[in-house]
Amino acid sequence: DTEVTQTPKHLVMGMTNKKSLKCEQHMGHRAMYWYKQKAKKPPELMFVYSYEKLSINESVPSRFSPECPNSSLLNLHLHALQPEDSALYLCASSQLYREVTEAFFGQGTRLTVV
Amino acid sequence: AQRVTQPEKLLSVFKGAPVELKCNYSYSGSPELFWYVQYSRQRLQLLLRHISRESIKGFTADLNKGETSFHLKKPFAQEEDSAMYYCALKGRGSTLGRLYFGRGTQLTVWP
Repeated sequence: DTEVTQTPKHLVMGMTNKKSLKCEQHMGHRAMYWYKQKAKKPPELMFVYSYEKLSINESVPSRFSPECPNSSLLNLHLHALQPEDSALYLCASSQLYREVTEAFFGQGTRLTVV
Repeated sequence: AQRVTQPEKLLSVFKGAPVELKCNYSYSGSPELFWYVQYSRQRLQLLLRHISRESIKGFTADLNKGETSFHLKKPFAQEEDSAMYYCALKGRGSTLGRLYFGRGTQLTVWP
């Protein structure tokens, strides 16, 4: 299994809602990432987890809250989002974040905030 | 500072024509460079990494340290090559864990 699986594929939420995005991989990768991608733009790094610990937070607003319950799962909890947070949210994983490796990306969750 | 520049936002060629997608980087030290491809409505996927010196789907990319470039080339473009292509540089030292993406080049191959 060489896939990163993200659920849901699409999500529409109101600005007062609380929702979560999920990401799963079974490749034994110890680094997992959240990226945000606006249309026709490159992905922007949000968070990096290494060995289930948060290693990088790219000054992301607190309305985005990541969680890594175990080595295979990564969540992104959303609360009180703004319409400008509408984007494709990508999860990725790699063997280790400190070594030369490629990142496998999920298909993304397309989020619309209304 | 690490930076990746893709000068062309859009690139169009006809089927069978050669194609070159440009990528220049700014990095002190030995860079680790990648090309990613994103087909319409599909996941971002790794196409090439420079350390492998491989050819994938007919694409090759050579690292030129003198020109700080990592251009992606294919001698005969196919319609199915139409996609968004991102050049990316892997961070090191204090920027470990980061991939610095260029803005992307949208390639269209006309029949």
